[in-house]
Amino acid sequence: NAGVTQTPKFQVLKTGQSMTLQCAQDMNHEYMSWYRQDPGMGLRLIHYSVGAGITDQGEVPNGYNVSRSTTEDFPLRLLSAAPSQTSVYFCASSYSPTGSTDTQYFGPGTRLTVL
Amino acid sequence: AQKITQTQPGMFVQEKEAVTLDCTYDTSDQSYGLFWYKQPSSGEMIFLIYQGSYDEQNATEGRYSLNFQKARKSANLVISASQLGDSAMYFCAMREDNQGGKLIFGQGTELSVKP
Repeated sequence: NAGVTQTPKFQVLKTGQSMTLQCAQDMNHEYMSWYRQDPGMGLRLIHYSVGAGITDQGEVPNGYNVSRSTTEDFPLRLLSAAPSQTSVYFCASSYSPTGSTDTQYFGPGTRLTVL
Repeated sequence: AQKITQTQPGMFVQEKEAVTLDCTYDTSDQSYGLFWYKQPSSGEMIFLIYQGSYDEQNATEGRYSLNFQKARKSANLVISASQLGDSAMYFCAMREDNQGGKLIFGQGTELSVKP
């Protein structure tokens, strides 16, 4: 199993550009989520999905869109990039949609810089 | 109010000694899970250990153990026989059953192991 994969690893955008961060998992996990990590802070939840066709907002959803058309993929879209979105983005997945006992496994992260 | 609090921004430990990283949490849920993740300088998030709210025994995984004190709402990570490779950021996180599986992170503790 490849686990959770993310592309690209690094990206530089100009203010106002749009892009999609890709996330895929091959573990047949129902639950997928996107976090951002800013310097000196823990990870904060952006959006999450409990299964194909179902998404919901996390703590910091503004400026981001998601969709979940398949179990495997959960892309994150930046509609109009802003410097405040400069961050490291992590995708995570776990088997259970809601179980507190279920470990979330993280992808390697995407380092995004918005100029 | 902070749901997860890690009060030690940075810690030093001598190689081969044990170290305790503190984590306190706040929840009114009866069913929840507590997790510790390691983030080395390379940036990936590595799952270390998990403790369920109904688990009566403290979790252990190799050199890692979780000192779970439910009444005090603390879930401290103990690393025995520290190694140079343990130098990293350590994050405590909580997942509540009634919150759709969201993982809430603390701000992290940076551990440095001295030779």
